[in-house]
Amino acid sequence: AQTIHQWPVAEIKAVGSPLSLGCTIKGKSSPNLYWYWQATGGTLQQLFYSITVGQVESVVQLNLSASRPKDDQFILSTEKLLLSHSGFYLCAWGQNSGNTLYFGEGSRLIVV
Amino acid sequence: TQTVSQSDAHVTVFEGDSVELRCNYSYGGSIYLSWYIQHHGRGLQFLLKYYSGNPVVQGVNGFEAEFSKSDSSFHLRKASVHWSDSAVYFCAVSHTGGADRLTFGKGTQLIIQP
Repeated sequence: AQTIHQWPVAEIKAVGSPLSLGCTIKGKSSPNLYWYWQATGGTLQQLFYSITVGQVESVVQLNLSASRPKDDQFILSTEKLLLSHSGFYLCAWGQNSGNTLYFGEGSRLIVV
Repeated sequence: TQTVSQSDAHVTVFEGDSVELRCNYSYGGSIYLSWYIQHHGRGLQFLLKYYSGNPVVQGVNGFEAEFSKSDSSFHLRKASVHWSDSAVYFCAVSHTGGADRLTFGKGTQLIIQP
């Protein structure tokens, strides 16, 4: 069975500090990977997606970057956090066929 | 560009009642439609999806959804809700099979009263 793990579960960070959120998928070879951001109001915004190792497509610009260093790993990062980065970050995997996403449990970020 | 609209931000019912959560989409071609559930503070979980065939699709935990091309809708229904169904429900649409442009609605919070 496939599993998806996100870390950390929650963080409180200062404005201007760096951030790194991670996501690992086990039990699935070459998945499509996605980062979503969910604001307090609940709306989901797709940030990045990756079809293969080393390739990441940006959907929106929020002063964030993403990388896929391994087939099963997806990293979201920034060098300088903004207050507007606060929210719930969700990693997901999917397949080219089927159009179904499988989400991790999320990482909650509070920027102060 | 596909869009998806969930007109109800909140729906409140009593336990044991039936419920329908509404979803309308806008896109001229073939699309994939799906529903996801999010319990408070958790990730989203897939409930069901439709692409073609029988317009009524069955999902987990007694949920079903019906596709209507004439109404551009994909409403989610359950005959008898349980308190554990309290969650936010998201409708999603994509015109591709790869989910690279999966567009989510704003979500409907389902509140179950005892």
